[in-house]
Amino acid sequence: DIQMTQSPSSLSASVGDRVTITCRASQSISSYLNWYQQKPGKAPKVLIYDASSLQSGVPSRFSGSGSGTDFTLTISSLQPEDFATYYCQESYSTSSITFGQGTRLEIK
Amino acid sequence: QVQLVESGGGVVQPGRSLRLSCAASGFTFSSYTMHWVRQAPGKGLEWVALISYDGSNKYYADSVKGRFTISRDNSKNTLYLQVNSLRAEDTAVYYCARSTVTTYGNWFDPWGQGTLVTVSS
Repeated sequence: DIQMTQSPSSLSASVGDRVTITCRASQSISSYLNWYQQKPGKAPKVLIYDASSLQSGVPSRFSGSGSGTDFTLTISSLQPEDFATYYCQESYSTSSITFGQGTRLEIK
Repeated sequence: QVQLVESGGGVVQPGRSLRLSCAASGFTFSSYTMHWVRQAPGKGLEWVALISYDGSNKYYADSVKGRFTISRDNSKNTLYLQVNSLRAEDTAVYYCARSTVTTYGNWFDPWGQGTLVTVSS
C-alpha cells in the first residue's frame, strides 16, 4: 500500500502568515493527490483535487502543487477561519485509498 | 441538495455487530462509487471500504477485511456497512462519502455528518 507522510504534524501561525504543508508519497502517484480541511466536529471538505485544481467555492488563497512523490498545500495569507486540520489523500490505486496523518494548524 | 445521512451507530460490546446505513439524496445514487471513511477519537482519517456504482466491485482496508462488508441498495438510495467482530480499535466516527472521479483518480464530496460507533464492554 502507498504511505502518505505529512509534515509538520502541527503548526502555529498568525493571521496573515503564509503557510505551507507538505505531503510525501512512498511511491510516485503522479497527480493523484487531494487536500481536505476539517474543523472540529465536522466532516472534511475538499480544497484541492488533482494536486493543483481548486475546488469550486474555495478561496483563492489556497493552492496546491507537486507531482510524483512530493506535494504542497499553501495558504497565502491565513484567515481566522483557516485554523483547522488538513489532510492529504492519494487515489492512485483503484482498490485502496490512503490519507496523510494530518496537520493541525493552530493560532499563534 | 446533495446530501448523505448516516445512521446506525451506537455503543456495542466487543465481538458484536452493527449495520450502518447512509441515505443519499439530491443526486443519482446509482451512478456513483461510494466509500466509508472512519475517524477514531482525536485521530486522523482512515479509509475503510469502497463499492462501485453497481455493487460489482468492493475493496476494503486491511484493518477491516474479513470483518466488514460494504453493500448498497440502489432502489433505496442507501449505502450500508455491516461491521462484525467489533474491536475496541473500531471505535470511531464512520462517514460515508461520494466519490467524484476526475482526471487523476477520485476525491470525496460530499460527506455525511458521521455516525459514532463505540466498542466497549
